[in-house]
Amino acid sequence: DAKTTQPNSMESNEEEPVHLPCNHSTISGTDYIHWYRQLPSQGPEYVIHGLTSNVNNRMASLAIAEDRKSSTLILHRATLRDAAVYYCILRDEADRGSTLGRLYFGRGTQLTVWP
Amino acid sequence: GAVVSQHPSRVICKSGTSVKIECRSLDFQATTMFWYRQFPKQSLMLMATSNEGSKATYEQGVEKDKFLINHASLTLSTLTVTSAHPEDSSFYICSASVGTGWGNTEAFFGQGTRLTVV
Repeated sequence: DAKTTQPNSMESNEEEPVHLPCNHSTISGTDYIHWYRQLPSQGPEYVIHGLTSNVNNRMASLAIAEDRKSSTLILHRATLRDAAVYYCILRDEADRGSTLGRLYFGRGTQLTVWP
Repeated sequence: GAVVSQHPSRVICKSGTSVKIECRSLDFQATTMFWYRQFPKQSLMLMATSNEGSKATYEQGVEKDKFLINHASLTLSTLTVTSAHPEDSSFYICSASVGTGWGNTEAFFGQGTRLTVV
C-alpha cells in the first residue's frame, strides 16, 4: 500500500474551519484516498473518500490536488466532538475479495479542538 | 451505515488464561473481517484477515497459534487470545466492509475490546 504523510498534531478553536493535510506523492492512478478518524477509546469511523474530484458529505469535505499527490480534509466548523486522530489512507481500486476492507494505518494527525 | 458490533468492550483476565472476543456484522454479511491491535499512543496494526469458512491469513510477525481466529458464519468472527500474558494487553478492533470490491468501499469498525492481562 502506498504511503501517506500527515502532521503529527494540529489544533483548532471550536466553530472554526480545520484543514488537515495529507501528502501521498507515490499515489497510483487507481488509489482511492480514504479518511478515517478515531475518537478516544473507540474504533475508527469512516469520514470520506475520493478518487480525483473533490467530495462533500455531511461530516466533511475532501479536496484533492490536481496531481493527486496531496489532499486536504476540511471540517467546516470544528466542534469538541471532532477531537480525534485522523488517518489518511490510500486504497487500491483493484482491492477486492479477501482484501476488501483491509486498511494499513499510519500514525495519523491528532486534532485538538479548544473551546 | 452498516454496523459492526464487538463484544466484550472490556475484559480483564489472569495471565495464562484464554480470552475470546466476538465481532458481528449486524445488518450485512461479511465474508471477510479484519482484526487489528492498538497499543497505547500507537496506531492500529493489522493482525489478520478472517475468512468465512476457511483459515485466517495472518500478518507477518503475528503468531497464529497465539491468536486463534474463527469465522464460522457470514456475520460472526471470533478472536481468541490463548495463554494470555501481560504483553498481550491491548485494544483489539475488528472491521468489515460492504460491497463487492474495489477501493471505493468504506470499512466499518467495531467499538473495540480493551484487554488487560494481570
